[in-house]
Parts: sequence; C-alpha cells; structure tokens
Amino acid sequence: DTEVTQTPKHLVMGMTNKKSLKCEQHMGHRAMYWYKQKAKKPPELMFVYSYEKLSINESVPSRFSPECPNSSLLNLHLHALQPEDSALYLCASSPVLARSYEQYFGPGTRLTVT
Amino acid sequence: AQKVTQAQTEISVVEKEDVTLDCVYETRDTTYYLFWYKQPPSGELVFLIRRNSFDEQNEISGRYSWNFQKSTSSFNFTITASQVVDSAVYFCALSEARGTASKLTFGTGTRLQVTL
Repeated sequence: DTEVTQTPKHLVMGMTNKKSLKCEQHMGHRAMYWYKQKAKKPPELMFVYSYEKLSINESVPSRFSPECPNSSLLNLHLHALQPEDSALYLCASSPVLARSYEQYFGPGTRLTVT
Repeated sequence: AQKVTQAQTEISVVEKEDVTLDCVYETRDTTYYLFWYKQPPSGELVFLIRRNSFDEQNEISGRYSWNFQKSTSSFNFTITASQVVDSAVYFCALSEARGTASKLTFGTGTRLQVTL
C-alpha cells in the first residue's frame, strides 16, 4: 500500500491564525518530507525528517514549524503566515533518507492565506 | 550544483499520437539517480520510474518508455498512443547527496495536454 494521506485537503486561514497540516504514512518509511509548490512551479523542499529527527531545513521562515511525533506522522504548524505563503503543501515519504529511493507523495493541502 | 532542464513547457497532442518529453541533467556525481513523476490536476505527484547512473538499459512499461543516455546527459520519456488520462504535468528529477541526507532537484515540468 503506497499511500500517503494529508489533511485537510483545503485550508483558508487569516494572517493571525494558527493551524496545522497533517501527514500520515503506513508504509514503514523512515524519511518524511514537506514541500511547497506554487502554481506552475516544481515542488520546493522545505524540511526533511529521518528517523524522526530533523535532517534538512531549507532555510524556511520560522512561521513554519515542523514536527514528527512518530515514524508515521508528520505535522506542519503554521503561524502568522503571509499571503505569499498560499500554495500547495505536499508531504512525501521514502523508505530511508538515501538518494537511491523514490519518494511517495500525498495529495497535498491547498492553503490560502487571506 | 545539480540542474535539471525540461525545455518543453507545454505540449499538446491529439489522442493516439506518440509524444516524447525531454529531460537534460547536469551533475558532478559519478553515481546519481534520476526520476520521473506525473502530477495530474488533482495535485498528487505519482512516481513513474527511477534510473541509476550505471544502468543504461532503456525501460518500457506498457505505453511508457524511457531512454537514458549518459553521453548526452538525457533521460527522455516517451508515451506511445497517448490517451486523455495522460494529461498532466510531468517532472524529471535528480537526486543529490547532501552530506548524509539527500534531496531531489526537480526540472520545471512539462505540461502535457492530450485532446480527443
């Protein structure tokens, strides 16, 4: 079962709100990723977790706060976002954090910041 | 630094036509991995294929085929007898080592529109 789930599918939030995006996989993968994708652009890596530890932070603003409570779950906490943060947020996982493994993506959360 | 170039921004074909999506990459690594992903309008990226740098065999999977040529740093993707369901954005990607970690470098994508 190569499935990554993400909730919610759509989210509209104001600039003063606090919200969280959730990602879950049950494939036993030990690497999980957050990407941001603007319209007509490729995905941009934000964060990578390996064995529940933060491995890569691509200089993402602190208004985005990732969390990996266990090997199956990945959260992205959002606070004081800007309208330019509106995008599709994709979660992905891979068996381990290695170049040779493909990543499996979830359907994404379409975020609108008003 | 690694780079992936997909020069074709958009391609439109009529159903049953064959179509080739181009991908050219740059890397200094001697061992590297290339990927193709499909992104339909629903948004989810679907993994299609992985190819490592030391295996130059071409691959065929149903209507899909991939031509990997190290000499020209290309990893092209051909869809034979295209169908409307093939309409999507297709991304080529290169996996880059970052210390003990790794990350994907994506091309800018090619939007394929298949019409009846």
